[in-house]
Amino acid sequence: QKEVEQDPGPLSVPEGAIVSLNCTYSNSAFQYFMWYRQYSRKGPELLMYTYSSGNKEDGRFTAQVDKSSKYISLFIRDSQPSDSATYLCASNKAAGNKLTFGGGTRVLVKP
Amino acid sequence: GAVVSQHPSWVICKSGTSVKIECRSLDFQATTMFWYRQFPKQSLMLMATSNEGSKATYEQGVEKDKFLINHASLTLSTLTVTSAHPEDSSFYICSVVGNRDIEFFGPGTRLTVL
Repeated sequence: QKEVEQDPGPLSVPEGAIVSLNCTYSNSAFQYFMWYRQYSRKGPELLMYTYSSGNKEDGRFTAQVDKSSKYISLFIRDSQPSDSATYLCASNKAAGNKLTFGGGTRVLVKP
Repeated sequence: GAVVSQHPSWVICKSGTSVKIECRSLDFQATTMFWYRQFPKQSLMLMATSNEGSKATYEQGVEKDKFLINHASLTLSTLTVTSAHPEDSSFYICSVVGNRDIEFFGPGTRLTVL
C-alpha cells in the first residue's frame, strides 16, 4: 500500500463547476500537506500548503486536512479550462523533509 | 518562495554519452535540493537529496555511480547522467527547499537518449 493514495482520474468537469480532489494517507506522522499543480512537461507548481488539520482558502482554492481520517482535499471553485492539469497531493513529517507524493489526478475542464 | 531554473530544458544525446543537468536557485540560498525523475503519466520519483557541501543521499534502487550529483554552492546543484542509455530517457526535475521549508520545483529537463 502506498503511503499517499490518489485517484488517477481523469476527472472531467464543465467550465464553472467545482472541482473536488482528494487523497488519503496512511502515515500518522505526516504533519505538512501540500497540493501542487503540474501542466504537461512542466515542473509542479505549489498551490496550497497546510500544517496539521483544518481549512485554508486562497482565491478559488480551498484545502482541507482531516488528520483523524487521514484525508486531504482540494476544492477549485469556478473552474476554468486553464485549470486542466494534473494535481498532486504531497505530505511530509517535518518541514523541509522529503515529500511523499500521491500518484496525481488528471483534471479536464471543458469549455 | 524560491524561483528555480533548470538547464537545459531538453537534451537529446547518443547512447553511452554523459549528460549534465543544472539546477539553480535564483533568489534563495538553498542548503537542500532534491532530484526527481518522472516517466509519462506517472508521479514524481525521488532520486536523491542534495545537500550543499556534502555527499548526496540516494534513494533505494538509484545508482549513485550512474547519477552523479554535485551541490557545490547554495544556488547550484548538478545531476550528471553517466553513460546514458535509452531507458534513462525521462523528465528530470529538481526542487529547492525554500522559505518556510517549502519545496519549490524547477521547470524540468526532458532527456532523450537515442
